[in-house]
Amino acid sequence: AQSVTQLDSQVPVFEEAPVELRCNYSSSVSVYLFWYVQYPNQGLQLLLKYLSGSTLVKGINGFEAEFNKSQTSFHLRKPSVHISDTAEYFCAVSVILYNQGGKLIFGQGTELSVKP
Amino acid sequence: EAQVTQNPRYLITVTGKKLTVTCSQNMNHEYMSWYRQDPGLGLRQIYYSMNVEVTDKGDVPEGYKVSRKEKRNFPLILESPSPNQTSLYFCASSSPLRASNSPLHFGNGTRLTVT
Repeated sequence: AQSVTQLDSQVPVFEEAPVELRCNYSSSVSVYLFWYVQYPNQGLQLLLKYLSGSTLVKGINGFEAEFNKSQTSFHLRKPSVHISDTAEYFCAVSVILYNQGGKLIFGQGTELSVKP
Repeated sequence: EAQVTQNPRYLITVTGKKLTVTCSQNMNHEYMSWYRQDPGLGLRQIYYSMNVEVTDKGDVPEGYKVSRKEKRNFPLILESPSPNQTSLYFCASSSPLRASNSPLHFGNGTRLTVT
């Protein structure tokens, strides 16, 4: 069965510091990988996605993620965070189910808290 | 503006009183889905729909019903709500039909409290 594990439930960091949010997945089949961000009192919005090709993926707001197939990881990074990056971040894996289209499996979420 | 609209945003109800949470999208998406979000558990899929009149169970369907009579609407029905259904609910949609690599568009959520 496929699963997604976000290794940190909360990540506090100071403004302008770098940050890495970790995500590991398990799957016996090919997957697509996503990071979503949820700002307070809002729905989730797509931050970036990996479908194929270059393993380094750039997203919105200066975030990037690297797909590592051997380690089955898809960690999210930003070199310098802002207060406005405070949000909850979800890693997700999309598994192809030929009879059902895609199934998106979410991790538990990581709360990023950026302090001045 | 492309969007997924859920109503209501907040709902407090009592055990056993039937309720419906509406979801509508204006992007002509075939795929729609309902999730519930609980602390420490992330988002779990309740039901999804690949197209009109096609619905199927997700990971936590017990206690919920859905219907897809029109492409744009995908209401979530709780026939007899219980306190363990207190949660934050999200509707989402995507296109094309095979949604495996298409990003989901989410509504702003419905916070349901069942007492």
